[in-house]
Amino acid sequence: SQTIHQWPATLVQPVGSPLSLECTVEGTSNPNLYWYRQAAGRGLQLLFYSVGIGQISSEVPQNLSASRPQDRQFILSSKKLLLSDSGFYLCAWSVRGSEGNQPQHFGDGTRLSIL
Amino acid sequence: DQQVKQNSPSLSVQEGRISILNCDYTNSMFDYFLWYKKYPAEGPTFLISISSIKDKNEDGRFTVFLNKSAKHLSLHIVPSQPGDSAVYFCAASPGPYSGGYQKVTFGTGTKLQVIP
Repeated sequence: SQTIHQWPATLVQPVGSPLSLECTVEGTSNPNLYWYRQAAGRGLQLLFYSVGIGQISSEVPQNLSASRPQDRQFILSSKKLLLSDSGFYLCAWSVRGSEGNQPQHFGDGTRLSIL
Repeated sequence: DQQVKQNSPSLSVQEGRISILNCDYTNSMFDYFLWYKKYPAEGPTFLISISSIKDKNEDGRFTVFLNKSAKHLSLHIVPSQPGDSAVYFCAASPGPYSGGYQKVTFGTGTKLQVIP
């Protein structure tokens, strides 16, 4: 069966510090990968998606970047964190290659607090 | 612009009764609709979905209804159980792009409490 892992579960960082959140998927090949953010009291907002190694698309302009160095690894980064980067970050995957509708499956998220 | 709206932030239901969670959408391009359940400190878990060619999809105690003309969908849980207490997110997508990826828009969630 497929599993998705995210770490760390919680993170407290000072303003201006760098960030690296990692997500890995097991049990599937060539997945589509996604990064979402949930701000307090709001729905999930899609930040990035990737359909393959090195292929990253950004949905919203922001202080963050994403990379996919390996097929099942997705990394969310920042060089300098802002207070507004606080939130709950979720990684998700879905089956790639199928032209039919496929649900996305989420990791347990990282709670990021910026001080 | 909130394209997917869950107007009830919370809902309380007695155990054994029906829970009905509602969702409205504004984008007529949405073609695929999903419900997710989320417990505290966990990521959302996929529950059930429906594509626009159907008006009903059932999976055990969970049934999703889609009314395209009203741009409305609902999730029915029968019978409700205390373990169903969670936040439920409605989500919608215009369908898969080439390669199968989906741009999914989520609602803000409804917190369901099932009282024993």
